[in-house]
Parts: sequence; structure tokens; C-alpha cells
Amino acid sequence: SAVISQKPSRDICQRGTSLTIQCQVDSQVTMMFWYRQQPGQSLTLIATANQGSEATYESGFVIDKFPISRPNLTFSTLTVSNMSPEDSSIYLCSVTETGSLFFGSGTQLSVL
Amino acid sequence: GQQVMQIPQYQHVQEGEDFTTYCNSSTTLSNIQWYKQRPGGHPVFLIQLVKSGEVKKQKRLTFQFGEAKKNSSLHITATQTTDVGTYFCAHTGGGNKLTFGTGTQLKVEL
Repeated sequence: SAVISQKPSRDICQRGTSLTIQCQVDSQVTMMFWYRQQPGQSLTLIATANQGSEATYESGFVIDKFPISRPNLTFSTLTVSNMSPEDSSIYLCSVTETGSLFFGSGTQLSVL
Repeated sequence: GQQVMQIPQYQHVQEGEDFTTYCNSSTTLSNIQWYKQRPGGHPVFLIQLVKSGEVKKQKRLTFQFGEAKKNSSLHITATQTTDVGTYFCAHTGGGNKLTFGTGTQLKVEL
């Protein structure tokens, strides 16, 4: 299975600032997915990051708030912009192999 | 995709007891996947079921997909402390995107 490195693993940020999360995969993958997991909750898909085109966002998530880059087939970033305490969550990148998902270790974000 | 409901939301068991979590959908699912997330960890893929009535086993874990493909279950026999975590079902919806169930948190006490 793919090995996914995600960083930072955690961060504490001030409201109004932005944080960029990086996700590196050890093999080329067509699609990368970004999920959010609020405390004690399930995983919610934020967007699908496609190489060479704009990310596809799910309902309730917008590019201005969560801009995504996908410069090549092994790397993606997710930025959480203009953060508020409501953005405190775990953010996870993932890739698919044979239909199942493999996740990075996640970024635990706390916004004060 | 439509989120599927899991019950129970929480379950505390004594080590050695059995545990079952159920995943229910109001619509027919193309497949069902199960993931385990240890405390502080990320979800890890366990298994995928595709066929109506399918049953698969992994050691003490038994996974079942309902005949109508609207529900699924995960049964753990003789739980151990290593089984602690949250178990999520998930299914593939439109655009091949995976939608996760609400999850069942399992705690195992000695």
C-alpha cells in the first residue's frame, strides 16, 4: 500500500491566520482526497485534489477557505485560511488503491 | 453520498465479550468498507464487501453485507484490549467518493 507522509502532525494557531498542510505519497496517484474529522465525529470529505486541474469541493466547502494545490502526482497541500476556533479538527489526506482508502497520519489543528 | 448510520454510537465491553456494530442505509449500497481508527490514529482499511449476503472473516472479526445491500455488520468475537478504537463503515457513492458512517467507539475493559 502507498506510504503517505503528512505534516505538520499538529499545530496550534491563532484565529485569523492560515495553515498549510502538506501530503507526500511515495507513488504516483491520480486522485488525492482531503478529509476533515471534527472532535468525536466521523470523516467528512472536503475535496478531491486532481493533478493538472482545480480541486473538486464538496458541498459546504469552498476554495477560498480551503485552497488546495496539486502540483504533481505525488504531492498535495491543503490550506485552512482565516482560521476560527470552529476549524479545530483533524485534517487527513488520503489516496485510493483498489477502491479502498489509505490515510496519512493526520494533522491535528487547534485554533485559539 | 448519503451518510449511513451506525449503531451503537458507543460500546463498553469486558475483555472476552463479543461486540457487534451495525451499519444501516435507507438506500442500496454498491459496496461497504470497514475501517478501524485507534485512539489518536488515522483510519485503517479492514475489508470491502461487494456481494449481497457476503460474509468475510479476519481472525476474530466477521463482516457481513445484508441481502438487500442496505446494511452491514462487524462482529468481534472475544474482544481484546487491542480492539479498542472507533469502527467506521463507508461506502462508495457518486464520483467514486467514499462516504463514512457515523462510527462506533469501542472500549474494552480488563
